[in-house]
Amino acid sequence: EAQVTQNPRYLITVTGKKLTVTCSQNMNHEYMSWYRQDPGLGLRQIYYSMNVEVTDKGDVPEGYKVSRKEKRNFPLILESPSPNQTSLYFCASSLRRGTGETQYFGPGTRLLVL
Amino acid sequence: AQSVTQLDSQVPVFEEAPVELRCNYSSSVSVYLFWYVQYPNQGLQLLLKYLSGSTLVKGINGFEAEFNKSQTSFHLRKPSVHISDTAEYFCAVRTSGYSTLTFGKGTMLLVSP
Repeated sequence: EAQVTQNPRYLITVTGKKLTVTCSQNMNHEYMSWYRQDPGLGLRQIYYSMNVEVTDKGDVPEGYKVSRKEKRNFPLILESPSPNQTSLYFCASSLRRGTGETQYFGPGTRLLVL
Repeated sequence: AQSVTQLDSQVPVFEEAPVELRCNYSSSVSVYLFWYVQYPNQGLQLLLKYLSGSTLVKGINGFEAEFNKSQTSFHLRKPSVHISDTAEYFCAVRTSGYSTLTFGKGTMLLVSP
């Protein structure tokens, strides 16, 4: 089954404790991205990647890192999480960067930073 | 810069009634428009998209949307809603040559019996 998977689905952590949220897709997609969803703000893009070893900042990149060493994986790293990063995070992928491409979303990771 | 405005944060309707969810966008260049749906505790999935051609776009689950360039709108409609349509709906826009998909803040559709 074609899908985007994220782990963990739920995570509670404390301020300053490094964490990684994994994202993997099995559709051989070139383009992957991370979003955060906050009430009343919709989805905002954190980082995106157009292919292996090619990443760029989205609209809200502060406090986050990403890497794209393999085509299928695009982990999101919070080096020193803070309470304002408490949010619902989605990974998404599409075949390529093109403007008409459909993005496929993972199920989400709900993060609480105490 | 591109932006999307969803005019209603919540739309309550009765089952079998028609519904329209409003979306307006701002862009100085050609746009590509999308509607996504998010069911409770799930990720987003594509309902429909407008790339070019006919301004009336049909999507899954009986939804359709009409692109109106002069009004810069892309409203989503369904003639008769079901309880199972209860979800949050997001309008999104991408402009030519720009990779970021910009989302609106979402409209919660609440369908009651």
